[in-house]
Amino acid sequence: DGGITQSPKYLFRKEGQNVTLSCEQNLNHDAMYWYRQDPGQGLRLIYYSQIVNDFQKGDIAEGYSVSREKKESFPLTVTSAQKNPTAFYLCASPTGRNTIYFGEGSWLTVV
Amino acid sequence: GDSVTQMEGPVTLSEEAFLTINCTYTATGYPSLFWYVQYPGEGLQLLLKATKADDKGSNKGFEATYRKETTSFHLEKGSVQVSDSAVYFCALSMNTGNQFYFGTGTSLTVIP
Repeated sequence: DGGITQSPKYLFRKEGQNVTLSCEQNLNHDAMYWYRQDPGQGLRLIYYSQIVNDFQKGDIAEGYSVSREKKESFPLTVTSAQKNPTAFYLCASPTGRNTIYFGEGSWLTVV
Repeated sequence: GDSVTQMEGPVTLSEEAFLTINCTYTATGYPSLFWYVQYPGEGLQLLLKATKADDKGSNKGFEATYRKETTSFHLEKGSVQVSDSAVYFCALSMNTGNQFYFGTGTSLTVIP
C-alpha cells in the first residue's frame, strides 16, 4: 500500500539536543510538507518541498531544518534553537491534484 | 490571501444528535474545499471534498455542500455516533497548485 511513514511515533529530547524526525513516502509525489500541531491548535507549516533538492520555509521555520536529497524522504531536524519543541509533528504530501495525504504523526516531548 | 475560518470548539453532543460544523472561506479564485478528520494521536484523513460550486461531498454519513454565494462549506451529519469523536478540519486548495490552507480544527466529542 502506498502511503507516508513517519518515525519514530514518540521521541523524547533533552535540553540542547538536536533530534531528527523521519518521513518517507512511496507515493511518487514531488511535494512534501512538515506541519506542527500543538494541543488544541490547528496546523502550522514548518517547511515544504515542491521538488527534490529544493525546499522553502513555512510560517514557523525558526529552530528547524530539513533536507530533500531523495524524492521519497523529507527528514525534519528539530534543533536546540527551537525553544518550545514539544508538539505533534505531521508530515504530508499533496498529489498535485487537490488531495493531500498525511502520515500518522510523531510526538516530540522535551524532558 | 486565501484562508479558511471554522467554528470554534469544542463541541459536545449526545449520540444520535444532529451535527453542524461551520466553515467559511476566502479565496481569490475557485478553490476546492475539503473536510479532514483527525482521530486521537493520528494524522489527518480526508473525509470528503467538493471541487466546484454546488457540489456536495459525502462520506460515512457526513455531508457538505460547496456554496459559492455564501463562501461556505458546512459539515453536517444527521445522527452522530461515539466513534465520530475526533477533530475536524476544513481546508481549501487552489486548483493551480499544491498549497493547502487549513482551519484551526473543531473538536467533537459524542457522549453515549
